[in-house]
Amino acid sequence: QSVLTQPPSVSGAPGQRVTISCTGSSSNIGAGFDVHWYQQRPGTVPKLLIYGNSNRPSGVPDRFSGSKSGTSASLAITGLQAEDEADYYCQSYDSSLSGSVVFGGGTKLTVL
Amino acid sequence: EVQLVESGGGLVQPGGSLRLSCAGSGFTFNDYDMHWVRQVTGKGLEWVSSIDTADYTYYPGSVKGRFTISRENARNSLYLQMNSLRVEDTAVYFCTRSGDGGWFDPWGQGTLVTVSS
Repeated sequence: QSVLTQPPSVSGAPGQRVTISCTGSSSNIGAGFDVHWYQQRPGTVPKLLIYGNSNRPSGVPDRFSGSKSGTSASLAITGLQAEDEADYYCQSYDSSLSGSVVFGGGTKLTVL
Repeated sequence: EVQLVESGGGLVQPGGSLRLSCAGSGFTFNDYDMHWVRQVTGKGLEWVSSIDTADYTYYPGSVKGRFTISRENARNSLYLQMNSLRVEDTAVYFCTRSGDGGWFDPWGQGTLVTVSS
C-alpha cells in the first residue's frame, strides 16, 4: 500500500481532459512538501513531467498541468493524445521518517 | 548531456549479495543527492535509498540493514551494496539524482536484479 494514493486507472477519448489525483496526509503533502509527477510510457524509464507542484520542465507540452491543495495534488492533461497513454506517478517526501521519499502507486492512463 | 548508467545487475540466489553501480556524466556529481528506485515488472515505483551531498544516507524499512548506498565523487559513481537478498527484491533498479527541489531527473536505464534459486 503506497503512502500516496492514486486511482489505478483513468481513461479518456482523444481531445478530452483527464485528471489524476494524488492523496497524501499531514506528514507528506499536507506538511508542505512539494509534489512531482513522472510519466512512464510502456517499455521506457520514468520521465519528469511536473516538478514543484505545477512547473513543467522544458519540452513538456502545456497540455500537462499540476496543482496542489491541502493534502492532495492533481495532474491534469488536456487535449488527450494517443502518445499520452502511459503510467503516471506522483512523488513527494514524508516527515515521519527522515529523508523518506514516497511515491504514489501509479495511474494507468488509457486513451480510448 | 546528463547521463546515468547503471550496471551490476544479474541473477543471485536468496541470501546472496550483489553490488550495483551507477556512473554519472554531464553534471557536477557531488552537487546532487543521489537515489536508487526500483520497479517490479508490471508494478509501481519504490524508493530504495538515498545519499545526500554530505554523505548522509536514508533507507525505507524494507531494505534498512540489508542495503548500503555509497558514492565516490571522484569517480562520479553511486553504488548500492545489497546483502541478504530476498525473492521480493527482484526488480529493475534505477539510479536517479535530485537537486534542492527534490525531484528526480533524469533516470538511468535501469539494471535488472533477479533473486531466485
